[in-house]
Amino acid sequence: SQQGEEDPQALSIQEGENATMNCSYKTSINNLQWYRQNSGRGLVHLILIRSNEREKHSGRLRVTLDTSKKSSSLLITASRAADTASYFCATDLSGYSTLTFGKGTMLLVSP
Amino acid sequence: DTAVSQTPKYLVTQMGNDKSIKCEQNLGHDTMYWYKQDSKKFLKIMFSYNNKELIINETVPNRFSPKSPDKAHLNLHINSLELGDSAVYFCASSHQRGGQETQYFGPGTRLLVL
Repeated sequence: SQQGEEDPQALSIQEGENATMNCSYKTSINNLQWYRQNSGRGLVHLILIRSNEREKHSGRLRVTLDTSKKSSSLLITASRAADTASYFCATDLSGYSTLTFGKGTMLLVSP
Repeated sequence: DTAVSQTPKYLVTQMGNDKSIKCEQNLGHDTMYWYKQDSKKFLKIMFSYNNKELIINETVPNRFSPKSPDKAHLNLHINSLELGDSAVYFCASSHQRGGQETQYFGPGTRLLVL
């Protein structure tokens, strides 16, 4: 089955810097979601972007979607140590009842 | 109150044993899922139930059997545990089925098979 592929696999930045993570997928989708996973915890939903949307904002998060390139990016602005986590994109396949998750990007934000 | 809860949080057992993991959601959702997350953090769907009906059954050994006594509960029973079953198992729920739905995850059950 299709899966999103996040890039980079790991990212280390300083507090206050911006963090950008990318997700590529293989076939057409209806929706793409981003989730965060803190160490030892379950995933938490961050944002959903539909295939007819190009950009979406939520607080310090900005998500873009380029369906022609089959890619999405998650930008976290003014990062904080508390943003340290793994970030996953999840895509749906048309007619498929659930999400397929990528392998995630591990983000480390140092104080 | 915890929205999606799983028990136990940790499970250490010997090869060949049979074990169960329980999941409950108090969100009133119709759809529940089981995922397996391996040591490389890859999260793979195992099963999905909608209103107690099995709707997704990925390629999972038949040693794994989900059971949904009601739509608030989805338990996972594993027979004849193997070393390769060691992983973190996450339960999740969503209001309805479909890729447009936000999924709410439990805290995970860390299974270690010795």
